[in-house]
Amino acid sequence: GAVVSQHPSWVICKSGTSVKIECRSLDFQATTMFWYRQFPKQSLMLMATSNEGSKATYEQGVEKDKFLINHASLTLSTLTVTSAHPEDSSFYICSARALAGRGNEQFFGPGTRLTVL
Amino acid sequence: AQSVTQLDSQVPVFEEAPVELRCNYSSSVSVYLFWYVQYPNQGLQLLLKYLSGSTLVKGINGFEAEFNKSQTSFHLRKPSVHISDTAEYFCAVSDSGNTPLVFGKGTRLSVIA
Repeated sequence: GAVVSQHPSWVICKSGTSVKIECRSLDFQATTMFWYRQFPKQSLMLMATSNEGSKATYEQGVEKDKFLINHASLTLSTLTVTSAHPEDSSFYICSARALAGRGNEQFFGPGTRLTVL
Repeated sequence: AQSVTQLDSQVPVFEEAPVELRCNYSSSVSVYLFWYVQYPNQGLQLLLKYLSGSTLVKGINGFEAEFNKSQTSFHLRKPSVHISDTAEYFCAVSDSGNTPLVFGKGTRLSVIA
């Protein structure tokens, strides 16, 4: 149990286009989902916390108008990178925390590799 | 705010040798501690976690970790490593409650045949 999927697993796009990444909890309901960004050989940096039915909370330095997060249901959150530029190229990972809160454990998706040309 | 320090960015070790990956966290009244493993181009997989109770926690793939409150440490150990253990390992901490995980910078474990 506790599987989180992400789609797509990788995407290549032209500079200036928008890219949507989906994060789904497949076998549990998640009140809270988190979006992380990981540069090569670096740790995960929290971008935002997304609660179902409310606006996402962004970390300092993360542009909310550039990284749009929607958490429309208890099993789906989306991250849209708007007007993507090469510096947005990164590995984006989502995680989900179960409704019943298993000791604050987060379950991670497999990640999405974004390359902006 | 919580912080996590992984003192070693890289740890090379020979196959079948023991290994310890170090993790220290900033002090808090109550913490949850985690170790995750990440293989290339993949997401994170939970190795083990400490929520409460016994300070020695056993996880998957033969790994274990010991919570030491006085030293604010949660070091990861394995008595005999395999080539397949080569990966990036992340220590993470959160306060009890609805806070997100804070990750360390990671330790690259390289197992040498």
